[in-house]
Amino acid sequence: KQEVTQIPAALSVPEGENLVLNCSFTDSAIYNLQWFRQDPGKGLTSLLLIQSSQREQTSGRLNASLDKSSGRSTLYIAASQPGDSATYLCALSGNQFYFGTGTSLTVIP
Amino acid sequence: NAGVTQTPKFRVLKTGQSMTLLCAQDMNHEYMYWYRQDPGMGLRLIHYSVGEGTTAKGEVPDGYNVSRLKKQNFLLGLESAAPSQTSVYFCASSLSERGVETQYFGPGTRLLVL
Repeated sequence: KQEVTQIPAALSVPEGENLVLNCSFTDSAIYNLQWFRQDPGKGLTSLLLIQSSQREQTSGRLNASLDKSSGRSTLYIAASQPGDSATYLCALSGNQFYFGTGTSLTVIP
Repeated sequence: NAGVTQTPKFRVLKTGQSMTLLCAQDMNHEYMYWYRQDPGMGLRLIHYSVGEGTTAKGEVPDGYNVSRLKKQNFLLGLESAAPSQTSVYFCASSLSERGVETQYFGPGTRLLVL
């Protein structure tokens, strides 16, 4: 069974700082890796999707990387803003989707 | 285009009561999913459907049933609610393009079983 771990569980940074969120997984036989954002009391919104054959994807201030050999993905957020405060989840798709438990990010103005 | 919608948004049940959660999507997606989200455990797949008239069990299917009579709707039923089913339930639908599957989520249903 695929195990997906996200460390740290919570992170607090001052506005403007660059930061990295981590996602690790146990089974490299994945199709894609997707990063989601979840605001309190809301559903999940897709941020970036990296296909199994790719190593990274970028969207604005976000950059996600995928290293299947080491079982790791990182989400890099540049120049963080208070509006980035949310929980970030990674999900791997194999025969089904497997979600991490998320990192709760707080960006302090 | 409403995307994925869920009804109701919040519900309180007594142990042993039954209820149905409704998920609807207007994006013509084939795949639909029901997840539950609990603190410290992430999202866990309950049941899913790969098309109208089909359903399959996920990771935690016990105590739940589902139906997909119409392509746009996916219903999750609790026949006899238990306090362990207190959770936030999310529905998702997905689009697969050139082998890449992207999931779209509803806003969630908060269920409290007393």
